[in-house]
Amino acid sequence: EVLLVESGGGLVQPGGSLRLSCGASGFRFSEYWMSWVRQAPGMGPEWVAHIKTDGSYKNYVDSVKGRFTVSRDNAKNALYLQMDSLRAEDTALYYCAREVIGGTTDLDFWGQGTLVTVSS
Amino acid sequence: DIQMTQSPSTLSASVGDRVTITCRVSQSISSSLAWYQQKTGKAPKLLIYKVSTLESGVPSRFSGSGSGTEFTLTISSLQPDDFATYYCQQFATFGPGTKVEIK
Repeated sequence: EVLLVESGGGLVQPGGSLRLSCGASGFRFSEYWMSWVRQAPGMGPEWVAHIKTDGSYKNYVDSVKGRFTVSRDNAKNALYLQMDSLRAEDTALYYCAREVIGGTTDLDFWGQGTLVTVSS
Repeated sequence: DIQMTQSPSTLSASVGDRVTITCRVSQSISSSLAWYQQKTGKAPKLLIYKVSTLESGVPSRFSGSGSGTEFTLTISSLQPDDFATYYCQQFATFGPGTKVEIK
């Protein structure tokens, strides 16, 4: 069974940092591109970033470029999102998800999400 | 930036109805489009990708079609489990969603 479990969310002040983690199991993690998607309360999803199987390619939505960094550790079956210079508008439930076809951002398995709240 | 619109924003229908949701993209940059179903408190669930490919385990009453800048999701016979919000997605952009409600 494919399982994705996010952690690391919480309350942080504007300008602060958080590191989200996503643990993967039930599939060959190193063979899949992975994405982060967020969803603000009452809003639709927003794709945030993705990373190639070996970490050699990363792409981000414009609103987080230069502030967020996606990475992965295939030996640990783990995906990460380092979030710096956080803003109120980054408040959302953050999901990690697996891409059904690498590089397409079509996402066939999702975690349950971890909540990030940016507020003073 | 690519803009995506969905119509209708809300749809009231009865069990057994045929339902069609339309997604329009502001510019054609890809032949790929995906559809998701989301229920309250749950993560989105992939239904269709590459415009018309049915995700494994998704009932065959769901189908996708379209090209260029206009795409559709059709539910051939609405079932009680289908009342939810549906989103289209093309690469980094999701549509605003269509809520399917019980009539």
